[in-house]
Amino acid sequence: DAGITQSPRYKITETGRQVTLMCHQTWSHSYMFWYRQDLGHGLRLIYYSAAADITDKGEVPDGYVVSRSKTENFPLTLESATRSQTSVYFCASSLAGGNEQFFGPGTRLTVL
Amino acid sequence: SQKIEQNSEALNIQEGKTATLTCNYTNYSPAYLQWYRQDPGRGPVFLLLIRENEKEKRKERLKVTFDTTLKQSLFHITASQPADSATYLCALDPSNDYKLSFGAGTTVTVRA
Repeated sequence: DAGITQSPRYKITETGRQVTLMCHQTWSHSYMFWYRQDLGHGLRLIYYSAAADITDKGEVPDGYVVSRSKTENFPLTLESATRSQTSVYFCASSLAGGNEQFFGPGTRLTVL
Repeated sequence: SQKIEQNSEALNIQEGKTATLTCNYTNYSPAYLQWYRQDPGRGPVFLLLIRENEKEKRKERLKVTFDTTLKQSLFHITASQPADSATYLCALDPSNDYKLSFGAGTTVTVRA
């Protein structure tokens, strides 16, 4: 009963590098989400997906790319990391739109 | 601009008392509102969802109200315990498209 997992849990990278954060859920939930959490801003939606091969932008999508080829996976890629992308990233899933969301444990990313 | 505001960043209360948290929003007409709990270093955990046609919802020692005229939700923790110490987040779906916007959260500390 793994639920929703994220990897890595911690990542340090340098400006300009590409980084991919992984998210995996075992419930076959249709919806998956990526958020970032920063002091003073709370949780902000980056991208979400309503089903495999369907993705849409959230509030802060610039500098990020997502894909969803399988229902259970929703990777988030920072194509060229910047210091402003230093944050804690949370993945979440929900059975259907508007339902409760189940969050992963988070990935703490530091961009030097 | 659209905004979600949660009352004071921190709330300190004595064990056994009732904690009341406020979530105010502007320029939205959300169909529902959700409350989450977040412990340090962990992802948010869903607590309650209340819909626009519901005035009040309860779950054990938790109670949520939703006043669409005042554009406000109140979250109550009755008979509070030290284990209730956490940050509580309210979340809305501003455009009713399943993209949640979160408040910054209120940190509750319950003293024994």
